[in-house]
Amino acid sequence: DAGVTQSPTHLIKTRGQHVTLRCSPISGHKSVSWYQQVLGQGPQFIFQYYEKEERGRGNFPDRFSARQFPNYSSELNVNALLLGDSALYLCASSLGVGGGNQPQHFGDGTRLSIL
Amino acid sequence: QQPVQSPQAVILREGEDAVINCSSSKALYSVHWYRQKHGEAPVFLMILLKGGEQKGHDKISASFNEKKQQSSLYLTASQLSYSGTYFCGTAGNNNDMRFGAGTRLTVKP
Repeated sequence: DAGVTQSPTHLIKTRGQHVTLRCSPISGHKSVSWYQQVLGQGPQFIFQYYEKEERGRGNFPDRFSARQFPNYSSELNVNALLLGDSALYLCASSLGVGGGNQPQHFGDGTRLSIL
Repeated sequence: QQPVQSPQAVILREGEDAVINCSSSKALYSVHWYRQKHGEAPVFLMILLKGGEQKGHDKISASFNEKKQQSSLYLTASQLSYSGTYFCGTAGNNNDMRFGAGTRLTVKP
C-alpha cells in the first residue's frame, strides 16, 4: 500500500511569492495534519483536517491556510513568503481524529527554500 | 506548550541501554514516540494513552505517568539501526500535537 505522498519534494521561491503544497494520505485515512520542521527542531503543528473540516490550528499567521478535498487529499497554502518560512513541511495522515489517540504516518515532506 | 525532552543527545556503543525522557506542563491525553533518521520522515514507534500504561516491542519500550505528565522511552541492547532523532509528541483533549525538540541518539559499533 502506498504511504503518504507529498509534492513537490523540493521548491525554491522568493520573498513575497505564494506556494501550494500537496498531500495524499494513506488509503482509508480521513485525517491530514500539516507540520513545519525547521532544521534541528521538532515538527511544529500547523493544521489538522478531518472530513474536510479544520479540527485544529497551531500558532501560525493567517498567511498559512489549508483545505481538504472529498478524496481526503489536502493542500497547504502559504502567502507572502518570508525568509523564515524556509523549512521542511510535513504532512501526516491518520485514520481519524480523536484527541491524539491515533498514530500519525508522515510523508517525506516538501523542502521549501525562500531566497 | 512544547514538551521538554532530555537529554538533547546521547552516544552509545552497540548493546548499551538508553532512556529518553519527555515531560509536559499541561495535562496529557496521550504521548507518541517517533524516530527520524537524517533526511527521512519521522516514523511512528508507539502511542501511550492516559492510564499509566507501558508498551513495548522488540527492545524498545515506553512508559507514561499521567500524574507527572511524563513519559520515558527505553532502548535496551541498542543496535546501529537505532540511531536517529527521537521525538515525543503530546496531545491534550484538542487535536493539536506538540512535539519536543528531539533527542539525537548515535549508536557506535
